[in-house]
Amino acid sequence: AQKVTQAQTEISVVEKEDVTLDCVYETRDTTYYLFWYKQPPSGELVFLIRRNSFDEQNEISGRYSWNFQKSTSSFNFTITASQVVDSAVYFCALSEVSSRDDKIIFGKGTRLHILP
Amino acid sequence: SQTIHQWPATLVQPVGSPLSLECTVEGTSNPNLYWYRQAAGRGLQLLFYSVGIGQISSEVPQNLSASRPQDRQFILSSKKLLLSDSGFYLCAWSPSSNQPQHFGDGTRLSIL
Repeated sequence: AQKVTQAQTEISVVEKEDVTLDCVYETRDTTYYLFWYKQPPSGELVFLIRRNSFDEQNEISGRYSWNFQKSTSSFNFTITASQVVDSAVYFCALSEVSSRDDKIIFGKGTRLHILP
Repeated sequence: SQTIHQWPATLVQPVGSPLSLECTVEGTSNPNLYWYRQAAGRGLQLLFYSVGIGQISSEVPQNLSASRPQDRQFILSSKKLLLSDSGFYLCAWSPSSNQPQHFGDGTRLSIL
């Protein structure tokens, strides 16, 4: 069964510190996609990244980086030099290619507080 | 470019009243459409999704229903609201399976 676990319910760090948000997934598929979304206090969900299961290269986008490791079924998200505007709830998600439905399974989210 | 509109932004309804939340997508055709509920600011619960007009899949049995009367219109309804229906409702669309979903601004529903 597909499942996404974000064990960190809430994290607080001081501005300019680096922070890593953990995401562990379960799937029986060999082909799948992983996502990260950001939900700022205003409420809308903002898509950040999608990776497919065949691409294990780490990705960097500005202060954001993602570490995908199939061996540990993890897709962790690191924010470098965090800023107050990074405060939000972050969701990791999974979709299986072989699945006949069109669902994305979301983790329960990690609430990140960046303290000034 | 594609945009998604969801309204109203906030809604206060008495218990037992009906509900209708509307979501429309512009700039694309035959999108997959989704309704989620988020209670207490955490966790997204998928309520309904649709891959085409008139095709609705329900994830959670409850007193809510969804309809897709037009290709880019997705409506969430209830005949009689319960206190437990309070929450933040999000509509989303994606171009096809396994593609990123793009979300509307959400509706905060309070049941009194």
